Formats: sequence, structure tokens, C-alpha cells
Amino acid sequence: DTEVTQTPKHLVMGMTNKKSLKCEQHMGHRAMYWYKQKAKKPPELMFVYSYEKLSINESVPSRFSPECPNSSLLNLHLHALQPEDSALYLCASSQEPGPDRGVAYEQYFGPGTRLTVT
Amino acid sequence: ILNVEQSPQSLHVQEGDSTNFTCSFPSSNFYALHWYRWETAKSPEALFVMTLNGDEKKKGRISATLNTKEGYSYLYIKGSQPEDSATYLCARGDQGAQKLVFGQGTRLTINP
Repeated sequence: DTEVTQTPKHLVMGMTNKKSLKCEQHMGHRAMYWYKQKAKKPPELMFVYSYEKLSINESVPSRFSPECPNSSLLNLHLHALQPEDSALYLCASSQEPGPDRGVAYEQYFGPGTRLTVT
Repeated sequence: ILNVEQSPQSLHVQEGDSTNFTCSFPSSNFYALHWYRWETAKSPEALFVMTLNGDEKKKGRISATLNTKEGYSYLYIKGSQPEDSATYLCARGDQGAQKLVFGQGTRLTINP
């Protein structure tokens, strides 16, 4: 099973709402990622989890709160978002590359959640 | 700031023709270079991950080369088919290869 699943596919939320995006993989990957993609732009990294610990936070505003409850699940909790946060949110997973140069692994992406903030 | 540039931004190719496009990136502190294919309404799909200067990888009709000293990679598609229509993204891996910085993509359309 090389699938990364994301729910929901679409989400519309008001600026005062609290919602969560979910991502799941069963490939045994120990690295999981959240990306944000705005229209006509490339995906931009938000967070990386390695072995269920947050390893990279790309200075993302605190209204986005990631959580990795176990090695298969990754959540993104959303609160008090702004209309400019409307975007496609992509989750990905990969094997953990470790410290050695010359070792890198492909990331497996989910189909994304299309978020609209009204 | 790590700038990954792709050219051209879009490309129309006749079915059966071969094509190629370019990804250029800063060569310092290099870890890895990824290529992904992203079809509309689908997930980005990994094509290649390359780490060593001079690497060449092939998958069916698609191949890629890597020059880490001068900071560029080429993606080649031989005998284009309509199912090759997609956006092709390259990404440089940084910070232990986990952090991917994507280029803007090349949008490829194959005309039957």
C-alpha cells in the first residue's frame, strides 16, 4: 500500500472556526510533512515530523498547529484562519533519510485538502 | 533563500515527439534533487530522486540527469504520449534532504 490519504477533500470554514485536517499512511514511513500550495505556485513546506517529533517548522503562524499522534497519522489543527490561508494543503510521507549525505528518499503525497476560509 | 528555477514554464509538444526541460538550483550544500509529476486532480507522483553528480536515472520513456557542480538537472521524455500531459516539478532537498524547495514547474501538454 503506497497510498497517503487525506480527509476531508474539501473544507470551507469561517475565520472563527476550529477544524482539523487529517493525513494517514501505512507504509511504515517515519517522516511526515505538511505543505501549502497556493494557486499557480509550487508547494511550500510548512512542517516536518521525524519519528513523531516536530523537526522542521518553517516559521508557520501559530494558527496552524500540527500534531503527530502516532507513526501513521498526522493532523493539522486550524484556528482563527484568515482568507489568505485558503489553499491546497498537501500531506506527504517518506522514509527517514538519516544523517548521511548521498541518501535521500522520494516523498509520497496525498491528494490534498482544498481549504477555503470565508 | 534557495531559488529553484524551471524552464520553460509551459510546453506544447506533438504526440510522438521527444522533449526535455530544465531545473536549475544553487549548487552549494547540495543533498538531493527530486522530480515529481503532478496530474490535475491527482497526487504529485515521484519520478526520480538523485543525489550524486553525474547521476542518470530512467523510468520507461522518461529519464533525468544531474549536475551538482553547476546546479542543473534535465528531464527527458522520449516519444511523448497524451498521458504524459502534467506539470513536472523539480525540488532541491536541503537540511538533511528532508526539506524540499520546489521550482515553479513545467506544464507539459501533449497534442494528439
